[in-house]
Amino acid sequence: GAVVSQHPSRVICKSGTSVKIECRSLDFQATTMFWYRQFPKQSLMLMATSNEGSKATYEQGVEKDKFLINHASLTLSTLTVTSAHPEDSSFYICSARVSGETQYFGPGTRLLVL
Amino acid sequence: KNQVEQSPQSLIILEGKNCTLQCNYTVSPFSNLRWYKQDTGRGPVSLTIMTFSENTKSNGRYTATLDADTKQSSLHITASQLSDSASYICVVSKGGATNKLIFGTGTLLAVQP
Repeated sequence: GAVVSQHPSRVICKSGTSVKIECRSLDFQATTMFWYRQFPKQSLMLMATSNEGSKATYEQGVEKDKFLINHASLTLSTLTVTSAHPEDSSFYICSARVSGETQYFGPGTRLLVL
Repeated sequence: KNQVEQSPQSLIILEGKNCTLQCNYTVSPFSNLRWYKQDTGRGPVSLTIMTFSENTKSNGRYTATLDADTKQSSLHITASQLSDSASYICVVSKGGATNKLIFGTGTLLAVQP
């Protein structure tokens, strides 16, 4: 149980384009989903927290207009990287939480912006 | 400042050997501590979770310890296998309303034949 999927697993795009990443909880309903970014040899950095049906809460330094988060249902959250640039290239990981503290992590999405 | 520090940064061991990874934290208030295994290009997978009152927790060949007084934890891997090669991340959950996770930078373990 408690499986979280992400799609796509990897994406390559041109600079200036927008990329959408999906995060789904497959066998449970997630009241809260989290989006993380991980650069090479670094740990996960929380970007934003999203609760179903409400606006996401962004961490300090994360541009909300650049990283659009939509948590339209209890099983789906999307992260859209708008007008992507090479510095946005990173490993994006989502996690989902039902209640309490346990977060279940997705397999990650590798984004490469050329 | 809420921090989680891990050592060593990287480690190479031979297959079949044991190893111990360290984690020191300064997170307050403390809720729980987890060890995750992250394979390259994959998301983290939980290995163990310990609350304040738990000193040790095992999951197969993985044994985690927690000393809440000194704010230290260790992850011991017994009879290592090639598939143990991964990054091991110590994560402390900050108590309170946010339940925020504080991530360590990880220990990159390479198990060689």
